[in-house]
Amino acid sequence: GQNIDQPTEMTATEGAIVQINCTYQTSGFNGLFWYQQHAGEAPTFLSYNVLDGLEEKGRFSSFLSRSKGYSYLLLKELQMKDSASYLCAADNAGNMLTFGGGTRLMVKP
Amino acid sequence: DARVTQTPRDKVTEMGQEVTMRCQPILGHNTVFWYRQTMMQGLELLAYFRNRAPLDDSGMPKDRFSAEMPDATLATLKIQPSEPRDSAVYFCASGLGGGGTEAFFGQGTRLTVV
Repeated sequence: GQNIDQPTEMTATEGAIVQINCTYQTSGFNGLFWYQQHAGEAPTFLSYNVLDGLEEKGRFSSFLSRSKGYSYLLLKELQMKDSASYLCAADNAGNMLTFGGGTRLMVKP
Repeated sequence: DARVTQTPRDKVTEMGQEVTMRCQPILGHNTVFWYRQTMMQGLELLAYFRNRAPLDDSGMPKDRFSAEMPDATLATLKIQPSEPRDSAVYFCASGLGGGGTEAFFGQGTRLTVV
């Protein structure tokens, strides 16, 4: 079966750094997506990791360890607009996307 | 600009009624997903199509839900009869298929069954 776990909620301060973790157990794993979803809106793509290591994209970075079934999303220089849910999703056999429950991040002044 | 279009945006219906949700994928995308999102369950995959053929619908309650792609520009999700527990936001997403290609989401249909 598919199992993707991430924390339900996190709180951080504007200007700080926050790391959102995701662990997964899936069959036919290809890679790991991160999506951002603001309240009342659709999820939007942030990053995709297929190889082990860190991928940096501006203030956001994503890390993958295939051997450990582990990924994290790192957000630097937090802004109020970063308050949203962050969803990790496994890209499985047949390119089927299975999502975790999402982590709701609240950024406080 | 290219986007996934879902209709209706909001739907309120009475228990027992039939509900049909429609999705127009981005032109040229060959992969379509239907997801249901609730506070309790998060994003659940209901059905997944590649080149209009259903590849996986194991997450969909078969007794009342059905998903089809009559042509490459239209995907439908139907619930008959609807129940209050079906109240959720239903998202359609499309993509080019192949490993690592992102799925683009529509704005969703917020369904309320009373």
